[in-house]
Amino acid sequence: DIQMTQSPSSLSASVGDRVIITCRASQNINRHLNWYQQSPGKAPKLLIYAASNLQGGVPSRFSGSGSGTDFILTISSLRPDDFATYFCQQSFTTPHTFGQGTNLEI
Amino acid sequence: QVQLQESGPGVVKPSETLSLTCSISSASIGTYYWTWVRQSPGKGLEWIGYIYYRGSTNYNPSLKSRVTISMDTSKKLFTLNLSSVTAADTAVYYCATTNPGFGDSSDYWGQGALVTVSS
Repeated sequence: DIQMTQSPSSLSASVGDRVIITCRASQNINRHLNWYQQSPGKAPKLLIYAASNLQGGVPSRFSGSGSGTDFILTISSLRPDDFATYFCQQSFTTPHTFGQGTNLEI
Repeated sequence: QVQLQESGPGVVKPSETLSLTCSISSASIGTYYWTWVRQSPGKGLEWIGYIYYRGSTNYNPSLKSRVTISMDTSKKLFTLNLSSVTAADTAVYYCATTNPGFGDSSDYWGQGALVTVSS
């Protein structure tokens, strides 16, 4: 299985901050990398697919970049409802493994 | 807007079979791979597997010996069966879409169903 490692595991920030979350794959996954946001008690929500494509309806303050093994999720200016847990997922090969999550706290 | 809804028992006894159903609304069945993902505190998000409407399946090797995903296209639902459960299978189980047109990402999710394995 491809291992996905996110950093940091948790992050404290304030409204208006710019935040970067990284995700590293244990092998080359080209651009088959997706990002999800999960609020407590809710299902994950797709933010970005194929490394840098913004899902419809997702605010433009979210962006993704990277290819190969190293990927970044950037939130340009945090808003109150951005405080949640973020997961990366590789869809290069099955099983489609997830990172362990990054808990973004106020 | 695709809508997914999980249903099934909230408690399953050890060694028995966990069965969950996902009802599909407002979706073209052939567009997606119909997927199960689970989440437990100890393991984060774990991809279980998916089925395509023509019947082909793909399972996580770590669960493959115990998992069966099936689909009833006429009723627009798909089902997860997980046999010989233990406490380690206690989790929130989500059904979701895997969209090949969107990099095999999961763009729609059910609300999740908590299943507790306990005698």
